[in-house]
Amino acid sequence: AQSVTQLGSHVSVSEGALVLLRCNYSSSVPPYLFWYVQYPNQGLQLLLKYTSAATLVKGINGFEAEFKKSETSFHLTKPSAHMSDAAEYFCAVSEDFNKFYFGSGTKLNVKP
Amino acid sequence: DAGVIQSPRHEVTEMGQEVTLRCKPISGHNSLFWYRQTMMRGLELLIYFNNNVPIDDSGMPEDRFSAKMPNASFSTLKIQPSEPRDSAVYFCASGTADGYTQYFGPGTRLTVL
Repeated sequence: AQSVTQLGSHVSVSEGALVLLRCNYSSSVPPYLFWYVQYPNQGLQLLLKYTSAATLVKGINGFEAEFKKSETSFHLTKPSAHMSDAAEYFCAVSEDFNKFYFGSGTKLNVKP
Repeated sequence: DAGVIQSPRHEVTEMGQEVTLRCKPISGHNSLFWYRQTMMRGLELLIYFNNNVPIDDSGMPEDRFSAKMPNASFSTLKIQPSEPRDSAVYFCASGTADGYTQYFGPGTRLTVL
């Protein structure tokens, strides 16, 4: 069975600081992994995805994530937070395109 | 491309009324998904279609919920009769297996009084 665990429902960082959002997954086969961002009153927007190519994946808005099979992790990072990064972030895992399993989300707060 | 289009964006109705949510997927996408998002349960897949055919509706909470996709450019999710516990944000997403990405619409915020 597939599942996703996002550690920390709320993360707060100062503007300019490192952003680290944690995601661990369980999957019986090499999965596809995704990070989505949701701004208030909007739908989910794809940030980046891992599809078994390079383990370090670069996405939009300066975000990147590293697939670590040994740790079953796919943490999202950004070197320097911007106020506009404040949003909710969802990690998702999929073994079958028609079945995406989403984590419970992490709300990122960026302090000036 | 305009992206996935959903209407209405907000719906307020009274318990017992019929509610119809609408979705227009991205042109060329052959898979369509309906999700429900609540604070308590997060994002749940309700049903998905491939080439306009419902494949898996195991996520539909009960018989009050039904979904149709009469053609490649339109889908509806209907709740009849609606109940207060149906209050949530309902998202439609579309995609292709080749691209292996689901693209989400802006959602419909449903409030059942």
